[in-house]
Amino acid sequence: EIVLTQSPDFQSVTPKERVTITCRASQSIGSSLHWYQQKPDQSPRLLIRYASQSFSGVPSRFSGSGSGTDFTLTINSLEAEDAATYYCHQSSSLPVTFGQGTRLVIK
Amino acid sequence: EVQLAESGGDLVKPGGSLRLSCAGTGFTFTNAWMNWVRQAPGKGLEWVGRIKSEVDGGTTDYAAPVKGRFTISRDDSKNTVSLQMNSLKTEDAGVYFCSTGGFYLDYWGQGTLVTVSS
Repeated sequence: EIVLTQSPDFQSVTPKERVTITCRASQSIGSSLHWYQQKPDQSPRLLIRYASQSFSGVPSRFSGSGSGTDFTLTINSLEAEDAATYYCHQSSSLPVTFGQGTRLVIK
Repeated sequence: EVQLAESGGDLVKPGGSLRLSCAGTGFTFTNAWMNWVRQAPGKGLEWVGRIKSEVDGGTTDYAAPVKGRFTISRDDSKNTVSLQMNSLKTEDAGVYFCSTGGFYLDYWGQGTLVTVSS
């Protein structure tokens, strides 16, 4: 099973700040890495597919990069509505797995 | 607009059974691979399993903790996917989401709550 490790687990950030969340895979997964946002009491929402492809309707301040084992989700000019938990997810091999999540709190 | 609606969540005793359903609208259900993902209270996301479209074989895959106890099926005539859960354990409790997608999970339902307690 491929283990995904996100860092940090928690981050307190201010509006307009640039935020970077990393996801490291226990083995190479190519670009089969996807990012989701989950706000409290809501279902997850796909942000980025295949490491760097923005999903339909996602604000342009969200971007992704990386390949192999190291991946990054970047949020430029953070907005208050971005307070949420962010998960990475790999579909390179079964079982598909998720990172443990990174919780962003807005100061 | 893609919509997924889960139902069937309930309180069940350990060792009991429960069947969840997910109805999909706004997309070509017959072509969709469907997944179940769960989230224990206050915890992260955990993939439960998936069923491929019939054109892709209609086969199922499961996570190790549920293999042999859970079964995913689909009824394309009703645009629904089901999750039959048997021999439930306390650690199976949580919100169960259905989602579309063969690789990335592009659309999600709102989830249905399963409570396993005596």
